[in-house]
Amino acid sequence: AQSVTQLGSHVSVSEGALVLLRCNYSSSVPPYLFWYVQYPNQGLQLLLKYTSAATLVKGINGFEAEFKKSETSFHLTKPSAHMSDAAEYFCAVNTGFQKLVFGTGTRLLVSP
Amino acid sequence: DTAVSQTPKYLVTQMGNDKSIKCEQNLGHDTMYWYKQDSKKFLKIMFSYNNKELIINETVPNRFSPKSPDKAHLNLHINSLELGDSAVYFCASSQEGAGSTNYGYTFGSGTRLTVV
Repeated sequence: AQSVTQLGSHVSVSEGALVLLRCNYSSSVPPYLFWYVQYPNQGLQLLLKYTSAATLVKGINGFEAEFKKSETSFHLTKPSAHMSDAAEYFCAVNTGFQKLVFGTGTRLLVSP
Repeated sequence: DTAVSQTPKYLVTQMGNDKSIKCEQNLGHDTMYWYKQDSKKFLKIMFSYNNKELIINETVPNRFSPKSPDKAHLNLHINSLELGDSAVYFCASSQEGAGSTNYGYTFGSGTRLTVV
């Protein structure tokens, strides 16, 4: 069964520093992978998605993610963190049965 | 115009009561979902409907009954509410691509249910 694992329930960075949020997937077929962001008391917003077109995927708000089949990874990065990036981030995989399975989430904390 | 709207945003009720949450999407999507987010932020699918037909029914107590009167609406009715039902419930919709690929969901802003 397809699944994703997010390493680190909390990640702290300083404003202007590199953001790296880790996601590893498990899938017996080529996966479709997603990153979502959830701001406090809000719903989930799609940041970016990998659907096999290109391994480096650019999303909104300056985020990008690289699909690495050899490492079964889909880590999310942003070169320079902003205070407004503080939120909960979820990696997800499409199981192919009209169902997204989410990771446990990573809370990004950004300090001035 | 809100793409996926849920009502109410907050719901506080006593154990044993019956309550409903409504969801509407104006995106023209074929598939709608209910997800539950627990206190640890874990998101788990409960149900999905495609063109008013139930597609996914995860291991959810039968006190939870979804209803889809048309493909733009998916409501969730909960009978005999329990303390453990307290959570945030998210509605979502998606437009399926060819071969059942999923191009991402659009989520509503959630309904925070508190059972006391």
